[in-house]
Amino acid sequence: DVKVTQSSRYLVKRTGEKVFLECVQDMDHENMFWYRQDPGLGLRLIYFSYDVKMKEKGDIPEGYSVSREKKERFSLILESASTNQTSMYLCASTPGGQGYNEQFFGPGTRLTVL
Amino acid sequence: GDSVTQMEGPVTLSEEAFLTINCTYTATGYPSLFWYVQYPGEGLQLLLKATKADDKGSNKGFEATYRKETTSFHLEKGSVQVSDSAVYFCALRGYGGATNKLIFGTGTLLAVQP
Repeated sequence: DVKVTQSSRYLVKRTGEKVFLECVQDMDHENMFWYRQDPGLGLRLIYFSYDVKMKEKGDIPEGYSVSREKKERFSLILESASTNQTSMYLCASTPGGQGYNEQFFGPGTRLTVL
Repeated sequence: GDSVTQMEGPVTLSEEAFLTINCTYTATGYPSLFWYVQYPGEGLQLLLKATKADDKGSNKGFEATYRKETTSFHLEKGSVQVSDSAVYFCALRGYGGATNKLIFGTGTLLAVQP
C-alpha cells in the first residue's frame, strides 16, 4: 500500500516563527503536492513538485516556500508564521505521466498559529 | 479556468436513506472526474473515478456517472450507513498535463443518524 506520512498531526506555533511541515511518501512517486484545507473553501493548492529540486506555485503560494531535495520528501516552509495560516495542511503524492492516477493523501497536519 | 461546484452541506440523513450529492464542473476538453472521501481525523482517500463521458465509477455502494451533456458527476448511494458520515469532495483533473493536478470542490459534509 502507498503510504504518505506527515511529521505532525497537530502543531502549535507563535506568530513570526519559522515552521517546517514534512511529508514523506514510500512509493517512488514523481509528483508531490501541498494543500491547505479550510471550511467552505475546500482544498487549495499551495505548491507542487514534479521532480527532485523542481517546484511550481499553486493557487495560493504567498507566505510559503517548499523544498524537495530527495524524491520521497517534500517540505512546506512557513517563513514567518501568521495567524491567517492557521489551517489543516494536507500532503499528497501521485505517479507522473499522463495516466489517470489518483492522488494519495497523508493524514494532515492541523497547524494553529497564536 | 477549470472549476468544480458541489452542493453545500451539511447533508443530514437517516440510516438507509438515499443519498445524492450534486457536482458540476467547468473544463475544456475531456477532464477526468473523481470523488474523494475524508473520514473524521483522516486525510482524503479516493472513493471512485471516471475518465470519459458516460463512464460510471462505483465503490462501496457509491456510484457516479460522468455526464458530459450536463457537465455533472453526481454522487449517489441507495442506502447510507452511519459509517458513511464524512466529507465528500468532487474533483477534476484537466485534460492533458503530466503533473496530475486536481481541482477540488468545497466539500460536502454528510451526517448519517441511526
